[in-house]
Amino acid sequence: EVQVVESGGGLIQPGGSLRLSCAASGFSVSSNYMSWVRQAPGKGLAWVSGIDTAGNTYYADSVKGRFTISRDNSKNALYLQMNSLRADDTAVYYCAREGGGASSFDYWGQGTLVTVSS
Amino acid sequence: DIQMTQSPSSVSASIGDRVTITCRASQGISSWLAWYQQKPGKAPNLLIYATSSLHSGVPSRFSGSGSGTEFTLTISSLQPEDFATYYCQQTNRFPYSFGQGTKLEIK
Repeated sequence: EVQVVESGGGLIQPGGSLRLSCAASGFSVSSNYMSWVRQAPGKGLAWVSGIDTAGNTYYADSVKGRFTISRDNSKNALYLQMNSLRADDTAVYYCAREGGGASSFDYWGQGTLVTVSS
Repeated sequence: DIQMTQSPSSVSASIGDRVTITCRASQGISSWLAWYQQKPGKAPNLLIYATSSLHSGVPSRFSGSGSGTEFTLTISSLQPEDFATYYCQQTNRFPYSFGQGTKLEIK
């Protein structure tokens, strides 16, 4: 069964760092494009970052230079290193597999909440 | 970057109604358009990919159409479980982007 499970969220002060993890099962992260998507409280979905099968990485302008996406093929896991966190980074962060047709996201995790506040 | 604009932002409808949601892209995205349904407190679920292809397990009352810059999601006969928020997404090029969402409410 295909499953992705996020972890690592929590309360962090502005300027701090946090690393989110996404544990995948039932498929290989190295063989799929993967993305992080976030949703601020009461707001819509916002694509954050993606990594392709070749290891190329992509970022939304709002996080470029502060966030880093990576994967560990041996652990079958995806990560999002978040530095210089700001209040407007507060959101539920979802990990998603880009395994549907035309690069659509067919499997999503349950999300992990990141709250940036002093 | 490609901007996605959905309309309306919210719509009220009754069980059995036909509902159409529109999504416009700021530039051509061919058929690289997906639709998702999200219920409160839950992750989004894929409904339609490549503009008009139904994802596995999605009821046939959902359909999608369009190309280029204008796309639509149609629900032919609303069921109680369809009341949710719907998002379009372009995957034509990075950075990917979502529409702002359309909340479908019970009239």
